[in-house]
Amino acid sequence: NAGVTQTPKFQVLKTGQSMTLQCAQDMNHEYMSWYRQDPGMGLRLIHYSVGAGITDQGEVPNGYNVSRSTTEDFPLRLLSAAPSQTSVYFCASSRQSSGNTIYFGEGSWLTVV
Amino acid sequence: AQKVTQAQTEISVVEKEDVTLDCVYETRDTTYYLFWYKQPPSGELVFLIRRNSFDEQNEISGRYSWNFQKSTSSFNFTITASQVVDSAVYFCARGSNDYKLSFGAGTTVTVRA
Repeated sequence: NAGVTQTPKFQVLKTGQSMTLQCAQDMNHEYMSWYRQDPGMGLRLIHYSVGAGITDQGEVPNGYNVSRSTTEDFPLRLLSAAPSQTSVYFCASSRQSSGNTIYFGEGSWLTVV
Repeated sequence: AQKVTQAQTEISVVEKEDVTLDCVYETRDTTYYLFWYKQPPSGELVFLIRRNSFDEQNEISGRYSWNFQKSTSSFNFTITASQVVDSAVYFCARGSNDYKLSFGAGTTVTVRA
């Protein structure tokens, strides 16, 4: 009963480094998305995907890249990490029906120094 | 962006007291969905409830209850007879048919024994 799995859970990066946050779901959900959580701001949408091969930008996409080659996986790439990207990242998935519950992964804590 | 406002940043209560969390949302959509999530100290996001815009019935689930008032664009959450395990950050969120959630900034609830 894995649900939405994110790796790594914790990561420290140096400014300018690149990395990929992995997200996988085993529920055959069409919709997947990435959010970041910052103190006092709730969660904000970075990128989302409505199916394999289809991605789009959310509210705060700059500095991030995504792809969706399979239904199960939706990795988030940080191209050149900046201290402003220090945050907690959540991956989410849901079925393709109106108003379905959105399930979140356990979060990835990223620190950029 | 269509905002979700959680006016209370922090609430502190003594065990067994009731606590009500306010949520006010903006929307231009006829159909939309409202959510509450709990984030305990361990960091994961726990789904609590989803409410459709066309269903204004209040809901009770154990010690939790929700009051949806379309006329005031509010979706308030009450914990009755609070317990220490209720200590968490609670997020209200709004989504439309495209599944992109807008979150409030969260309310931190501390229940003291």
